[in-house]
Amino acid sequence: RKEVEQDPGPFNVPEGATVAFNCTYSNSASQSFFWYRQDCRKEPKLLMSVYSSGNEDGRFTAQLNRASQYISLLIRDSKLSDSATYLCVVYKAAGNKLTFGGGTRVLVKP
Amino acid sequence: GAVVSQHPSWVICKSGTSVKIECRSLDFQATTMFWYRQFPKQSLMLMATSNEGSKATYEQGVEKDKFLINHASLTLSTLTVTSAHPEDSSFYICSATGDREIYEQYFGPGTRLTVT
Repeated sequence: RKEVEQDPGPFNVPEGATVAFNCTYSNSASQSFFWYRQDCRKEPKLLMSVYSSGNEDGRFTAQLNRASQYISLLIRDSKLSDSATYLCVVYKAAGNKLTFGGGTRVLVKP
Repeated sequence: GAVVSQHPSWVICKSGTSVKIECRSLDFQATTMFWYRQFPKQSLMLMATSNEGSKATYEQGVEKDKFLINHASLTLSTLTVTSAHPEDSSFYICSATGDREIYEQYFGPGTRLTVT
């Protein structure tokens, strides 16, 4: 089983709609969680950190459920520019490294 | 701030040759640098972690004699793919962190390697 798993998609989303997707992680010792965005043939860029209480950054909302070991990302009022692959990333101090999920591809269409 | 560059951005080489990729932190001192590899439609996989002035720590399954990593200064790390084969064709991305937490990594733009 992969340490961080994501639905690869693609999620085809009409412009203006809301889309949400999850990521599950297997290691309960994981400490910090992030969503990164990666455009085709580009490096990943940090979108937002994910906190236990949930957090929002503009149209993006992230949630963490430690009991069920998943995190989620919700995008409201989708824009064409939101089309990208969203990477779920987990950090744990033991090992001292980031572990990336395979990514969820989102395609926003007019 | 916190810019990381990579050179070259893409390279094509013949099977059996070696290729060197440079990763530079432009405006901060990178005490730790990371090298990742990403195959098409797959996740980033950590290859190795390097600290300035010491030997790199390789992840399980990564051949250290094939992927030579040097982190000779606080602003430069290099990855040399030795005796490259077509299966080494991939997107190689470096990241760097300074005096912040390890999870606050700044990523380079990546190097696309094609071995023919």
